[in-house]
Amino acid sequence: AQKITQTQPGMFVQEKEAVTLDCTYDTSDPSYGLFWYKQPSSGEMIFLIYQGSYDQQNATEGRYSLNFQKARKSANLVISASQLGDSAMYFCAMRAGWDTGRRALTFGSGTRLQVQP
Amino acid sequence: NAGVTQTPKFRVLKTGQSMTLLCAQDMNHEYMYWYRQDPGMGLRLIHYSVGEGTTAKGEVPDGYNVSRLKKQNFLLGLESAAPSQTSVYFCASRDTLTAFFGQGTRLTVV
Repeated sequence: AQKITQTQPGMFVQEKEAVTLDCTYDTSDPSYGLFWYKQPSSGEMIFLIYQGSYDQQNATEGRYSLNFQKARKSANLVISASQLGDSAMYFCAMRAGWDTGRRALTFGSGTRLQVQP
Repeated sequence: NAGVTQTPKFRVLKTGQSMTLLCAQDMNHEYMYWYRQDPGMGLRLIHYSVGEGTTAKGEVPDGYNVSRLKKQNFLLGLESAAPSQTSVYFCASRDTLTAFFGQGTRLTVV
């Protein structure tokens, strides 16, 4: 079974500062993918970034980067130069077991980020 | 550029009533999913489909049924709604990597 743990229910950050949102995962599958989604107050789920278990380098997408530490089973999201529009709920998710056919995402409980001016 | 469209967006049901949530995607994706989102619990998988005519149970399937008669549509049914099914429901479809989500349906069962 797969499990995602997000231990920070809420985080505050000052505008223009960097912030790290924690995510740890558990799976016995050697092949898996890790995802981060943003859910603003309007409710939609927005894909931010992806990291594959065999990727040698940490993923980056604009101001988002994923700090992937495989041995520690952590996949923290780093947002640089926070903006007011970054205030949202952030979910870490995993898909594991590429040969099972299920291939659904398992989500963590989320972290609510509030960016302060 | 519709992507994944869910209807309706809001609904209030009385206990025991039935309803169907419709999910439509225009990206020709094989995989489709229904999740529910409850406060403090993230998204949990209800049912999923790996292609037209196929469905399978997720982690919280009780009280729900699904059908995938056409590749682009994935229907979620509640035969006899219960207050415990008050939630926000998300449909998603995915390509080889990324899952794309609908806007969500907020369902209240009173």
